[in-house]
Amino acid sequence: LAKTTQPISMDSYEGQEVNITCSHNNIATNDYITWYQQFPSQGPRFIIQGYKTKVTNEVASLFIPADRKSSTLSLPRVSLSDTAVYYCLVGDWDTGRRALTFGSGTRLQVQP
Amino acid sequence: EPEVTQTPSHQVTQMGQEVILRCVPISNHLYFYWYRQILGQKVEFLVSFYNNEISEKSEIFDDRFSVERPDGSNFTLKIRSTKLEDSAMYFCASSATSGKTDTQYFGPGTRLTVL
Repeated sequence: LAKTTQPISMDSYEGQEVNITCSHNNIATNDYITWYQQFPSQGPRFIIQGYKTKVTNEVASLFIPADRKSSTLSLPRVSLSDTAVYYCLVGDWDTGRRALTFGSGTRLQVQP
Repeated sequence: EPEVTQTPSHQVTQMGQEVILRCVPISNHLYFYWYRQILGQKVEFLVSFYNNEISEKSEIFDDRFSVERPDGSNFTLKIRSTKLEDSAMYFCASSATSGKTDTQYFGPGTRLTVL
């Protein structure tokens, strides 16, 4: 399982773009990169997933360089409600091993 | 949007007692999971369940833990002989398929307090 490293915490202000970078130097060929969000006292919530290049949905964008050794979650124009912990997960969930392994995540604090 | 639901939201029990945590996964999903999160710590995988059997479990899921899908809609986690260290938030999750891009949908959690 690829080890991931991401900042422990980040601070931002409302309306700013936030970029959270995750390092995964030993990512395997078949691994996908997935980001989850967790609000206090709630279950994690899927945000976005990608394999390479760029993926965008209504919530966020995910940028993955060609070597795939890192990825960046981009949240456009954050609001106070984006205050949460963001987890980067890397794995190949088609192998029969479906368990998600969460790290400590990045605690994002958005201020007015 | 379909959601995973869990009951109760908070369960308090005495050490040594048995508890059953209940989950209703999203209706067309085939894979079911339990995770837990001790206060201030990481979300930890406990067990996955498919086709009426456990497909994967972690070291945390010892012989005091069991899972069941009793009626085709509910998915339960039973903990026997509860210990103080079982106190945690327990999350149920479900997913639809076995594909690489499958997403796990988590419920709101049950906070278990063992006294």
